[in-house]
Amino acid sequence: DVKVTQSSRYLVKRTGEKVFLECVQDMDHENMFWYRQDPGLGLRLIYFSYDVKMKEKGDIPEGYSVSREKKERFSLILESASTNQTSMYLCASRLFSGANVLTFGAGSRLTVL
Amino acid sequence: QKEVEQDPGPLSVPEGAIVSLNCTYSNSAFQYFMWYRQYSRKGPELLMYTYSSGNKEDGRFTAQVDKSSKYISLFIRDSQPSDSATYLCAMSITTGNQFYFGTGTSLTVIP
Repeated sequence: DVKVTQSSRYLVKRTGEKVFLECVQDMDHENMFWYRQDPGLGLRLIYFSYDVKMKEKGDIPEGYSVSREKKERFSLILESASTNQTSMYLCASRLFSGANVLTFGAGSRLTVL
Repeated sequence: QKEVEQDPGPLSVPEGAIVSLNCTYSNSAFQYFMWYRQYSRKGPELLMYTYSSGNKEDGRFTAQVDKSSKYISLFIRDSQPSDSATYLCAMSITTGNQFYFGTGTSLTVIP
């Protein structure tokens, strides 16, 4: 089974701090995704990467950036954290573009004070 | 109007009951339909995956797609306390990078 690992499960940061969320998948998937999940809003796509160094904005990219230097690793960066970025962040991967099944990590719960 | 609508519940049933979870959608281009189960403080895990219309069964779980009504369902037979979780429906078109998720239905199965 594909494993998607999010190294930080719970983080507490202060407003204005730079935050890195790391995600690693171990089955050579081409595509990786970052979502945030909020009550009543469901999952919203932040960024998507279809290959190394390639990225596309999702529905809510403002305040976020991403990095994919290696195929297995996709990082989400909050340049200057704000309280409205308090959320559950979910990383996901899929085998290739057009494949219709996502595999999710366990999530990173970020609280910004 | 949201692309995918899902009743958030919460839904509470006794152990052994049959559970019906539903989603409606507006985009007739959706071809792939998925159900994810998410336990508290965990990421979603794929439960069922269906292409186009019809039924698919896996153990106690049955996924049903009615494209004419733009309606999908997940049935859980002989529900167990371990089925207590949030269930998310998700959909996508044939090609593309977008997945459309429901907001999730919270289910509690009472022993």
